[in-house]
This record gives sequence, C-alpha cells and structure tokens, in this order.
Amino acid sequence: GAGVSQSPSNKVTEKGKDVELRCDPISGHTALYWYRQSLGQGLEFLIYFQGNSAPDKSGLPSDRFSAERTGGSVSTLTIQRTQQEDSAVYLCASSLAWTASSYEQYFGPGTRLTVT
Amino acid sequence: ELKVEQNPLFLSMQEGKNYTIYCNYSTTSDRLYWYRQDPGKSLESLFVLLSNGAVKQEGRLMASLDTKARLSTLHITAAVHDLSATYFCAGLLSGSEKLVFGKGTKLTVNP
Repeated sequence: GAGVSQSPSNKVTEKGKDVELRCDPISGHTALYWYRQSLGQGLEFLIYFQGNSAPDKSGLPSDRFSAERTGGSVSTLTIQRTQQEDSAVYLCASSLAWTASSYEQYFGPGTRLTVT
Repeated sequence: ELKVEQNPLFLSMQEGKNYTIYCNYSTTSDRLYWYRQDPGKSLESLFVLLSNGAVKQEGRLMASLDTKARLSTLHITAAVHDLSATYFCAGLLSGSEKLVFGKGTKLTVNP
C-alpha cells in the first residue's frame, strides 16, 4: 500500500517568511511524528500526535514552530518567520502504535527546507 | 534524558569482511530501532528490538540487544557493496513515543 507522503519535496524560502510542510500518514495509522535532520544536530524529534490525545510538543525548538493534525490524518508543520538555522530535512513518520506488532515508525521521503 | 551513542561514525570495509556497529544508550529504553538511510533518501526500518537478548536477522545483517549493558549491535556478515549506507540506531524514551537517534554510522563497502 501507499507509504507516508510529504509535500513539497523541496522548499526554498527567504528568511522571515512562513512555510507549511504537509504529511499524509499511512492510512489507518493513529500515531504521527515529525522529526528534522540537519548536519549539525542529526535527527531530532519535534512533535508527536496520537489519536485525539494532546500532542507531545516537547521537541519543538521555538514558538515559531507549530503543528496540527486535522481529522486524525493529515498533518501540517508550520514554521513562522523562518531563520537560516531552520534549514534541514523535515521527516514525517507514522505508526499504528499501541499494539504489540506495530512498534515500527514508517518514515516519509522528507521535505528539504532551505532558508536563504 | 536518553542519550544514544554509536560507534564507529565512519566505517570503510572490503567486500566479504565482517564488522559490527555498536550502539550504547544511557538510560532505560523500551525499544531499540535500527534504520538504514541511503544518500538523499528517507529512513528505512531494519529492526525493532523489544526485549533483552532479542536477536533479529535479515540477510547479511543481524541485530541484538543487551538491556543490562544498554548495548545494541548491528553485525554485518560478508559485506557487499549494496550495504553501503548510513545506519542509525534509535532508542525509545521510556514512557514516551519519542525516538532518540544516534549520530549514524556511514558504512562504505569497497569492491
């Protein structure tokens, strides 16, 4: 079946602009995660959604970052007033969660964000 | 706070040789994951290790977990060029669903 999809695949933006990154999880997966990968910081957790529970936002680096998940499916990560240090690959993952056979997190192809 | 350390960070080996990548973690982790990443690509799940003594094998790769030593290993047997990639281990912060990743091991298998 279809995997996790993300759009856009690449985004170049000017410093100070807002950007929205989209993630479509695997159908039926209740858990959704955002991570980012940068040369300096490696792979970092950003935020986690599970069903209707309050999201775990503990990894968001600043209040310029926010995310929402509508209808328990698609998620949007928004970065306001982008800075050059926000340049990274933003990865989305999903999992079934809460069942013994579903511990795997499946990653999407990522969105490469470049802030100029 | 969970910290995950991998070593080596860079590994160059010849085809046909065996080697092991080590993943140490600092505190209790409910699960240990291994992922593969090819250049410009996303993360591909290799193994999920759930309990002490767990061993999983897929082709030339075998992963194991020792929760008492807080150590996981990824053993490569008779390496082939197609295994060239970056390998990440990740621990799951106990009581949460956050993955904490190591810095990755860039493996190059030379013909």
